[in-house]
Amino acid sequence: DGGITQSPKYLFRKEGQNVTLSCEQNLNHDAMYWYRQDPGQGLRLIYYSQIVNDFQKGDIAEGYSVSREKKESFPLTVTSAQKNPTAFYLCASSIDGGQYYEQYFGPGTRLTVT
Amino acid sequence: ILNVEQSPQSLHVQEGDSTNFTCSFPSSNFYALHWYRWETAKSPEALFVMTLNGDEKKKGRISATLNTKEGYSYLYIKGSQPEDSATYLCAFTYGNNRLAFGKGNQVVVIP
Repeated sequence: DGGITQSPKYLFRKEGQNVTLSCEQNLNHDAMYWYRQDPGQGLRLIYYSQIVNDFQKGDIAEGYSVSREKKESFPLTVTSAQKNPTAFYLCASSIDGGQYYEQYFGPGTRLTVT
Repeated sequence: ILNVEQSPQSLHVQEGDSTNFTCSFPSSNFYALHWYRWETAKSPEALFVMTLNGDEKKKGRISATLNTKEGYSYLYIKGSQPEDSATYLCAFTYGNNRLAFGKGNQVVVIP
């Protein structure tokens, strides 16, 4: 079964701790993305990667970091520098980085920081 | 960040009725317009990727039109069914790899 997996579904952390959200895909897609959803807002792009070992900041990258060491994996680290980390995080992938390709989304991780 | 507006924000539709809603986006530097359906407790799924002015696409009872000159797209649901209840997301492609999403149109179909 091809798709995108994100784990865990729910994540709780104390303020000041870094936390890493997992995203894995077996679709053989080159491009991967991280989005954040907050109540009453559209999805906002945090980081994206077009190929292995390359990634670019999205619109709200401050306080986040990513890596792309393998084609299948694109983990997102929420650092203690992120002022409002509590949110729903979605990972997505597409065949490549072209604008015309649909994105495939994972089930999301809801992060709560207290 | 580009402004993508979707209206109405939410709507209730009687089963069997047809409905439509709007996505407005910047009309300059157009590349593509995406529509996604996001059902509760599931992942967003792509409905359409539209690229040409005047494009019309259809998937079952759902169809979409595109006007790139005036910067809007309509999504239509014909004969709404309870399984059509979802949030419909519109996203405008800008730059390289970037999608700007609207807040969504939340549709509730009442049996």
